[in-house]
Amino acid sequence: NAGVTQTPKFQVLKTGQSMTLQCAQDMNHNSMYWYRQDPGMGLRLIYYSASEGTTDKGEVPNGYNVSRLNKREFSLRLESAAPSQTSVYFCASREGFSGAPLHFGNGTRLTVT
Amino acid sequence: KNQVEQSPQSLIILEGKNCTLQCNYTVSPFSNLRWYKQDTGRGPVSLTIMTFSENTKSNGRYTATLDADTKQSSLHITASQLSDSASYICVVAVDAGGTSYGKLTFGQGTILTVHP
Repeated sequence: NAGVTQTPKFQVLKTGQSMTLQCAQDMNHNSMYWYRQDPGMGLRLIYYSASEGTTDKGEVPNGYNVSRLNKREFSLRLESAAPSQTSVYFCASREGFSGAPLHFGNGTRLTVT
Repeated sequence: KNQVEQSPQSLIILEGKNCTLQCNYTVSPFSNLRWYKQDTGRGPVSLTIMTFSENTKSNGRYTATLDADTKQSSLHITASQLSDSASYICVVAVDAGGTSYGKLTFGQGTILTVHP
């Protein structure tokens, strides 16, 4: 049982380049999330998808776009990377009720130079 | 503004010793509080959830407490092991009022290091 799988694990970009972070879950969860984690700060929500076909902005959506491709997959795109987007990105999923735990992938470490 | 503050920021203990991590929150309306463990280079994993009516809950060597009046929670680790070295994150959920998504507020985490 793979859970939540993220690719790639590491990425280095130059300022202005674009890339897509991939995420897939095999737990048949309705809700999926993208977070970023920076030193000394709590995880911050970028975008989420409560169900297939819907996406909503989180706390820090600027500079990002998302696509809920199907129930399993939720991708995060950086159209024009900036050094401020250097971070560790986590994808998560959970059952469609607020008491359920988040299941996280192992993250993508992104450096923008 | 909803906030979750954890203390201490970091903690070093010897293997076999006990420790207690603290979480204070100002989240309203409160739904639940969950503790996660995050190993280095991995995503967080849920340890336990506390709801409004629960005061204490144990999961092996981990015991969480919740005081809803003072808006404080603690995570007590008994007889620590080297594998307990990790970041422990407190996450508080807002009551979603029947909808599926309740906003989550994350603490910054406590980094625990267990030395042999």
